[in-house]
Amino acid sequence: AQKITQTQPGMFVQEKEAVTLDCTYDTSDPSYGLFWYKQPSSGEMIFLIYQGSYDQQNATEGRYSLNFQKARKSANLVISASQLGDSAMYFCAMRDAWSGGSNYKLTFGKGTLLTVNP
Amino acid sequence: EAQVTQNPRYLITVTGKKLTVTCSQNMNHEYMSWYRQDPGLGLRQIYYSMNVEVTDKGDVPEGYKVSRKEKRNFPLILESPSPNQTSLYFCASSLMAEYHTDTQYFGPGTRLTVL
Repeated sequence: AQKITQTQPGMFVQEKEAVTLDCTYDTSDPSYGLFWYKQPSSGEMIFLIYQGSYDQQNATEGRYSLNFQKARKSANLVISASQLGDSAMYFCAMRDAWSGGSNYKLTFGKGTLLTVNP
Repeated sequence: EAQVTQNPRYLITVTGKKLTVTCSQNMNHEYMSWYRQDPGLGLRQIYYSMNVEVTDKGDVPEGYKVSRKEKRNFPLILESPSPNQTSLYFCASSLMAEYHTDTQYFGPGTRLTVL
């Protein structure tokens, strides 16, 4: 069974500094996708960044980058130059081709609550 | 604007009163799914649909029904809501059902309280 682990329930960072949010995953499928979502206090789930298991380079989207270490099964999110608006819950998620069925569901970690201090 | 919409955004109801939460996407996505989010339990899949008239159970389907009569719509039906269905509900969609690496885009969420 696939599993996502986010070991940091909460993180604090100073405005303008970089922060890394940890995520490890477990799957026996060689083909999978890794995703990060942001959930602000208003509740919506916002897609941030995607990394495919066969991608050779780490994904980047603006201030977000994904530090993908396949051998370690690690997919950490790096946020550069943190802003106050980055304060939110961040979820790591995985989708593989076989998760006990053919539904290609997203499996989420428990999340990390990031607080950006001024 | 490409988006997933849900209605209502907030709902307070009473036990046993049937309700429907609508979900619609304008991106011609094949795959649609419902999740619920609960403190301490995270996000869990309720039902999903691979295409029109193709639906199946997720991890927590008890007490819910869905239908997919049109590609764009995927309503979630609670025939007889109970307090343990109080939760934050998300509808999500992705382009191709067969592409497990496709990004799932989420609706804004529906906060349901069952008294």
